[in-house]
Amino acid sequence: DQQVKQNSPSLSVQEGRISILNCDYTNSMFDYFLWYKKYPAEGPTFLISISSIKDKNEDGRFTVFLNKSAKHLSLHIVPSQPGDSAVYFCAASSNTGNQFYFGTGTSLTVIP
Amino acid sequence: SAVISQKPSRDICQRGTSLTIQCQVDSQVTMMFWYRQQPGQSLTLIATANQGSEATYESGFVIDKFPISRPNLTFSTLTVSNMSPEDSSIYLCSVEVTGRGPQHFGDGTRLSIL
Repeated sequence: DQQVKQNSPSLSVQEGRISILNCDYTNSMFDYFLWYKKYPAEGPTFLISISSIKDKNEDGRFTVFLNKSAKHLSLHIVPSQPGDSAVYFCAASSNTGNQFYFGTGTSLTVIP
Repeated sequence: SAVISQKPSRDICQRGTSLTIQCQVDSQVTMMFWYRQQPGQSLTLIATANQGSEATYESGFVIDKFPISRPNLTFSTLTVSNMSPEDSSIYLCSVEVTGRGPQHFGDGTRLSIL
């Protein structure tokens, strides 16, 4: 059973515009959420995180929004750059264990 | 964060054989993990590698198939035993540097079984 879902396998955005990547989860016990970026032949790289006590966390061009009532989080990238083209994974965990649950990823292409 | 070196980066193996994947971290870490990413799938946790004791396996994964060693706080190995084509995946190790912080990943081992 997939507890973390990314329903869009791919997304294309023009350079300079906003990229919005979405993620839904089912487990109400999740209280820590992360986004990772993955380039081909490399491991996932941590991008940004948010705990459930917040609804927004910002780091430069990257902002993560958390809507606990909807069990939904999103990653906004503004402005998008060609170097942002990668696969983005969201992940979630609860304080009952160390396991991170990952979505299946969204492949972002930023078109110059 | 931490620098994580994983070897080999890729391999092609015959069915029925075993392969050991190594994960080396540049600093001492308490928590080390092994994940599998099957084609088109998300990352799935295989086990937590515990230093000085047996690994903790997730549902669906067993020690006979995926034996894990953790001899010290900077090194771990995962063996994929008696391989079949269904084991063709990317295997990744990760570490947690701070409690309840992000996990940091190695570049993975891309394994193909013929």
